[in-house]
Amino acid sequence: SQELEQSPQSLIVQEGKNLTINCTSSKTLYGLYWYKQKYGEGLIFLMMLQKGGEEKSHEKITAKLDEKKQQSSLHITASQPSHAGIYLCGAALGRTGGFKTIFGAGTRLFVKA
Amino acid sequence: DAGVIQSPRHEVTEMGQEVTLRCKPISGHNSLFWYRQTMMRGLELLIYFNNNVPIDDSGMPEDRFSAKMPNASFSTLKIQPSEPRDSAVYFCASSRELAPSTDTQYFGPGTRLTVL
Repeated sequence: SQELEQSPQSLIVQEGKNLTINCTSSKTLYGLYWYKQKYGEGLIFLMMLQKGGEEKSHEKITAKLDEKKQQSSLHITASQPSHAGIYLCGAALGRTGGFKTIFGAGTRLFVKA
Repeated sequence: DAGVIQSPRHEVTEMGQEVTLRCKPISGHNSLFWYRQTMMRGLELLIYFNNNVPIDDSGMPEDRFSAKMPNASFSTLKIQPSEPRDSAVYFCASSRELAPSTDTQYFGPGTRLTVL
């Protein structure tokens, strides 16, 4: 969706390196989700952020939502081959959007061993 | 707990044939979503239901697509007649409530559809 821009489109990192993926919207988001999709498989829920300034962590993955609730970043510390996959951000547009959830185009992460 | 169940996992059919995709949401979830994912267009919401009632089908591409949810534990997405451009991975997702700002959608493994 062009309403939700993800960057970069793809990323190749050496194992052990840190990386950041961004998700940006021109509109205020009511709920921001991060999913991971392994190639050829379904989406796996990672984290949900709701409040401006909120930050959550799960193992080596940290996600933040900015104060204006228009941008989120996903940071992976000391990347491993198991982190490889497609990371998608999804967001709810709220009542004015009819509760629709839209998704970014995804960031393809490759981790070199 | 069983997650969202979709069948079939793979479907290969010829142009013009009818295709039916099936989904069983997580028990107790009141909302169900159908998505389509392609390389060109990414993940697109087709239609979603709340308490078995279709709420918004504006994402359904054409009249060839239809979706039903006869009860809380079953939904179908039908394409009739199918065309090669319908080839994609179709995902079903469910959540406890409709308001996605407070609830998480859990995705099924998807059905990979190929229309020859």
